[in-house]
Amino acid sequence: EPEVTQTPSHQVTQMGQEVILRCVPISNHLYFYWYRQILGQKVEFLVSFYNNEISEKSEIFDDQFSVERPDGSNFTLKIRSTKLEDSAMYFCASSYSGYTFGSGTRLTVV
Amino acid sequence: RKEVEQDPGPFNVPEGATVAFNCTYSNSASQSFFWYRQDCRKEPKLLMSVYSSGNEDGRFTAQLNRASQYISLLIRDSKLSDSATYLCVVNKKVGDTGRRALTFGSGTRLQVQP
Repeated sequence: EPEVTQTPSHQVTQMGQEVILRCVPISNHLYFYWYRQILGQKVEFLVSFYNNEISEKSEIFDDQFSVERPDGSNFTLKIRSTKLEDSAMYFCASSYSGYTFGSGTRLTVV
Repeated sequence: RKEVEQDPGPFNVPEGATVAFNCTYSNSASQSFFWYRQDCRKEPKLLMSVYSSGNEDGRFTAQLNRASQYISLLIRDSKLSDSATYLCVVNKKVGDTGRRALTFGSGTRLQVQP
């Protein structure tokens, strides 16, 4: 069964540092998403991406966040200057008709 | 009012029991409805879509009441492996592409005991 692959599985970074979370969506999927889940809280939508541009973003997705599809296979989420409150599980997802989630990257900001 | 509201639980039930979860949603423009399952520190996984006519998948039955903006999930003959958090999820149309941003409830935790 095709999978959405996320790397790394766990990243620890110092406050103020930039991080890039990587995702390889399913190859024939056209729509890509990032969600996050702070420990003990609900899964929250960050951004959706289609046809090489952002199609919607939530109020969480402020100027410190950016997404990119640099090479036609990877889909990345960059956080420019991490804050303690960015610590969360970040899930990538892709869809054609149904959604498939990756197994997530646990980001810990110290 | 929360967009998707669920009783957080936990629901502690014995093996073989029948358990029901409820969910309400606030956005009447919501178009599609789902139940996801999430194991501890894992990604959400689709359990089943929910249709207006109600639908069943083995031991799982989902119902939707659009007028009341209410969704339910019934699990019959609970197994130990059903222990997880059950997420009520709705989506809305996203821009002109029609793609979907999913809105998740906080989840209801189920613990099935031997």
